[in-house]
Amino acid sequence: DGGITQSPKYLFRKEGQNVTLSCEQNLNHDAMYWYRQDPGQGLRLIYYSQIVNDFQKGDIAEGYSVSREKKESFPLTVTSAQKNPTAFYLCASSSNLEDEQYFGPGTRLTVT
Amino acid sequence: AQSVTQLGSHVSVSEGALVLLRCNYSSSVPPYLFWYVQYPNQGLQLLLKYTSAATLVKGINGFEAEFKKSETSFHLTKPSAHMSDAAEYFCAVSDLTGFGNEKLTFGTGTRLTIIP
Repeated sequence: DGGITQSPKYLFRKEGQNVTLSCEQNLNHDAMYWYRQDPGQGLRLIYYSQIVNDFQKGDIAEGYSVSREKKESFPLTVTSAQKNPTAFYLCASSSNLEDEQYFGPGTRLTVT
Repeated sequence: AQSVTQLGSHVSVSEGALVLLRCNYSSSVPPYLFWYVQYPNQGLQLLLKYTSAATLVKGINGFEAEFKKSETSFHLTKPSAHMSDAAEYFCAVSDLTGFGNEKLTFGTGTRLTIIP
């Protein structure tokens, strides 16, 4: 069954700790994305990657880091430098930048 | 760069009534256009897409959208609302001008409430 998996569904961390969110796809897509969603707000792009070993900052990259060592994986690290990390994080993938994106189920991160 | 505007952050309709969610885009060339639906605490699911074929696009769950170049619009409609349609809906546009702006730009979303 093809799709995108994100784990875990819920994540709790103490302030000052780095945390890594997992995103895996088996759709053979070249492009992958990370979005942040806050209550009542739309999607804000954090990072995206068009191809393995390459990625670009989105609109709100500060306090986040990513890697793209494998085509199917695009983990996101929320660092202690991110001032308001509590949010719903969505991963997506697509064949090309202009094609429809397929989304994972999301990870809800709570930092206290 | 392209942009997309969704008019109305909240829309309420009665069960059985027409659903109309508005989306306008700005782009110098006809873009690709998408509608997504998001249920609480879930990811986004593609409802339908326009990629320069037929201007009237039919999607899942009885939704459809019409691309109108003259109005730069791509409004989402459903003839008869069902309680299960209550969700957040996002319009998205992909700029095809070739200046590196191809990735999707999402609107701010419209929350649809169905009144029993």
